[in-house]
Amino acid sequence: ILNVEQSPQSLHVQEGDSTNFTCSFPSSNFYALHWYRWETAKSPEALFVMTLNGDEKKKGRISATLNTKEGYSYLYIKGSQPEDSATYLCALSGSARQLTFGSGTQLTVLP
Amino acid sequence: DTGVSQDPRHKITKRGQNVTFRCDPISEHNRLYWYRQTLGQGPEFLTYFQNEAQLEKSRLLSDRFSAERPKGSFSTLEIQRTEQGDSAMYLCASSLGSGANEKLFFGSGTQLSVL
Repeated sequence: ILNVEQSPQSLHVQEGDSTNFTCSFPSSNFYALHWYRWETAKSPEALFVMTLNGDEKKKGRISATLNTKEGYSYLYIKGSQPEDSATYLCALSGSARQLTFGSGTQLTVLP
Repeated sequence: DTGVSQDPRHKITKRGQNVTFRCDPISEHNRLYWYRQTLGQGPEFLTYFQNEAQLEKSRLLSDRFSAERPKGSFSTLEIQRTEQGDSAMYLCASSLGSGANEKLFFGSGTQLSVL
């Protein structure tokens, strides 16, 4: 059983602030690490899929890094905007096909 | 709309009743997944299909749950004799199954409330 942990559980930031969240996972049996954004009343949306140690991915103001040796990934949001308010989920895929999700970080960006 | 669609969006039922949900994946996607999410938790894997074949089932999936994908296109998830503990968001996702970079595309989910 894979154990994926995310911190913090929730976060409030002011518009314009930069922020980051952590996803921790067991470093053995690693296959891929996913980040999803889930806005209320919408579908979870894939942000990044990372497979290699040291991977860094960027999409607009959002970026992510991956360290498979120590078992963590960071998600960064630069200059947060109210539309960034959502739950950010990370998920690990091991040798099995299914994703094991963390409980998410709920971000609220205050105008 | 070429995304994953799920029907219904909401379902309220009484304990003991049967319910069925439908998922229409993105048309060219060969893999289809069902997940369940309860308040404060991340989505939990239930089962997945490669075309019409159900290849994996979670131990979370009790005998009251059954899923089908008869023609390798849409899928249904049925829960028999619902219990209050079945109340959750049921999410469907599909993918092309392209290896390590496989990205899942989710529907908006069906919110089930069992009274």
